[in-house]
Amino acid sequence: NAGVTQTPKFRVLKTGQSMTLLCAQDMNHEYMYWYRQDPGMGLRLIHYSVGEGTTAKGEVPDGYNVSRLKKQNFLLGLESAAPSQTSVYFCASSWTARMELFFGEGSRLTVL
Amino acid sequence: AQKITQTQPGMFVQEKEAVTLDCTYDTSDQSYGLFWYKQPSSGEMIFLIYQGSYDEQNATEGRYSLNFQKARKSANLVISASQLGDSAMYFCAMREPGDKIIFGKGTRLHILP
Repeated sequence: NAGVTQTPKFRVLKTGQSMTLLCAQDMNHEYMYWYRQDPGMGLRLIHYSVGEGTTAKGEVPDGYNVSRLKKQNFLLGLESAAPSQTSVYFCASSWTARMELFFGEGSRLTVL
Repeated sequence: AQKITQTQPGMFVQEKEAVTLDCTYDTSDQSYGLFWYKQPSSGEMIFLIYQGSYDEQNATEGRYSLNFQKARKSANLVISASQLGDSAMYFCAMREPGDKIIFGKGTRLHILP
């Protein structure tokens, strides 16, 4: 039982490059979230989705795009990476927002 | 403005003592929810407890309880009989309308033997 899987786990990018982080869940969850974690800042919500085909902005959406074409997948894209986007990214999913979030292991992204 | 405030960046507690981690929140909505998560040094996020705004009783899960004071907008986590394995980062989070879930900055708890 995989739960929530994030791909890739580690990535180093140069400024201006693009990349996509994939979050896949096998629990048939409706809700999916992308967070970034930086030292001293806690987890900050980037974008989220309350169902297939829906997306919404979180607290820090600038510089990121997302898509939820399939219920089990939530993609986070960086079109033109900046050093300020160096962070650990967490994906999470849940059946409803009144129940626990199941988190992936995190993806560490470094932008040089 | 911060919607979730955790005022204790770090805490040191003797093993077997009870611990209270503070969390205050800011919302004008009537329907919301509050969570606590634990993040050990290994990095994974572990769900601890949830309290809905309409729940009349404080939530409890084993050694964890949530001291919910609605009028004061506080949702403190209480850990009874702390253990060395409780050393970790603890995050308070809130469900907002639209089902956005936002987190505080966390409190790092150190349990001393």
